[in-house]
Amino acid sequence: QSALTQPPSVSGSPGQSVTISCTGSSSDVGSSNRVSWYQQPPGTAPKLMIYEVNKRPSGVPDRFSGSKSGNTASLTISGLQSEDEADYYCTSFTSSSTWVFGGGTKLTVL
Amino acid sequence: EVQLVESGGGLVKPGGSLRLSCAASGFTFSNAWMSWVRQTPGKGLEWVGRIRSSGYGGTADYGAPVKGRFTISRDDSKNTLYLQMNSLKTEDSAIYYCTSDVSTPGAWDIWGQGTMVTVSS
Repeated sequence: QSALTQPPSVSGSPGQSVTISCTGSSSDVGSSNRVSWYQQPPGTAPKLMIYEVNKRPSGVPDRFSGSKSGNTASLTISGLQSEDEADYYCTSFTSSSTWVFGGGTKLTVL
Repeated sequence: EVQLVESGGGLVKPGGSLRLSCAASGFTFSNAWMSWVRQTPGKGLEWVGRIRSSGYGGTADYGAPVKGRFTISRDDSKNTLYLQMNSLKTEDSAIYYCTSDVSTPGAWDIWGQGTMVTVSS
């Protein structure tokens, strides 16, 4: 199972919006609603930000939103804040009953 | 407080074995499907495997890189998850996280702090 494809880095200024893409295949992202996004600041464990494509866990700001079209999922962060600077990872359940992660995207807030 | 605490990491030679543990508290462990995820220092996350709750047979699935070498098990009487790692390779060196989807179906909302495994001669 190949890793999902994410851009290595994205950046934006405070207050702006950024979108991180996550491209898979019809065997994972395209056929599963179990697509999630995780935020990981340096030296910490990952934190769940989006699950089931577009749902937010309790406590996650509504500035974070998720969507999916075909084999590509997306995470959008609006109203960027300095504390959003971190690595972001997508993951998807697969048709083989396994999970696959994206390679990660480093978000820099300028 | 919902908590996962890993232990058992360390330095091991290639070909060796190591067993990681994950102590759970603050939720009904016996109902939880538990997973292990690893992260090579400076690199990305990789799913290692998961074990179903005992009510769903307690069976496990594994990622291709570890299948046949790693075994996930659980002791619900001790609220503890295990990862037995055999035939270790240098590429297995990573931080190993224990995780579960307690409140968010199909997504890991609780994570341990991780335990470091280094495979080196």
